[in-house]
Amino acid sequence: QQQVKQSPQSLIVQKGGIPIINCAYENTAFDYFPWYQQFPGKGPALLIAIRPDVSEKKEGRFTISFNKSAKQFSLHIMDSQPGDSATYFCAASTGTGNQFYFGTGTSLTVIP
Amino acid sequence: NAGVTQTPKFQVLKTGQSMTLQCAQDMNHNSMYWYRQDPGMGLRLIYYSASEGTTDKGEVPNGYNVSRLNKREFSLRLESAAPSQTSVYFCATGGGEGLEQYFGPGTRLTVT
Repeated sequence: QQQVKQSPQSLIVQKGGIPIINCAYENTAFDYFPWYQQFPGKGPALLIAIRPDVSEKKEGRFTISFNKSAKQFSLHIMDSQPGDSATYFCAASTGTGNQFYFGTGTSLTVIP
Repeated sequence: NAGVTQTPKFQVLKTGQSMTLQCAQDMNHNSMYWYRQDPGMGLRLIYYSASEGTTDKGEVPNGYNVSRLNKREFSLRLESAAPSQTSVYFCATGGGEGLEQYFGPGTRLTVT
């Protein structure tokens, strides 16, 4: 059973567009929600993370929106660039950081 | 400062053979993790170690064993490899109370 459900599986946008990737969870014990970016042949790299006590967090062109009541969170990439083309994973963990559950990933392509 | 290193980068095994994947970190983090990544499945936690001398099972531990040799090193052993263990394996460390994960470059394993 997938603990974190991610959509869409793939996404193609024009340069400057705002791709949005969504994730949903059921376990209310989760209280840490990171997003990772992965380029082909590389390990995932932490992009941005949020705790459920805030509804939005921005770091540069990346924004996480969090809806605690709906148990959903999403990643928005402002002014997307071809260099943002990568696979993005959402994840969730309890506060202990012992177990992380990842979504199945979204392959993003930004067309010049 | 190498971060997280993994050896080997690639490996081909025959069914029934054994091997150990090595992971080392110089980030002075307490937590270390082993994941496998399969197409369409995201990353799944195999085992983790919250501190030197402790290990615990993750989502998919069957067929694997681990050793936390010291604070720097965390190895993953396949005693009798099976084709279902064909995957890309990532080691990660946890900083910031274990919540920020830093991934190694991965080991691509094929079992024939």
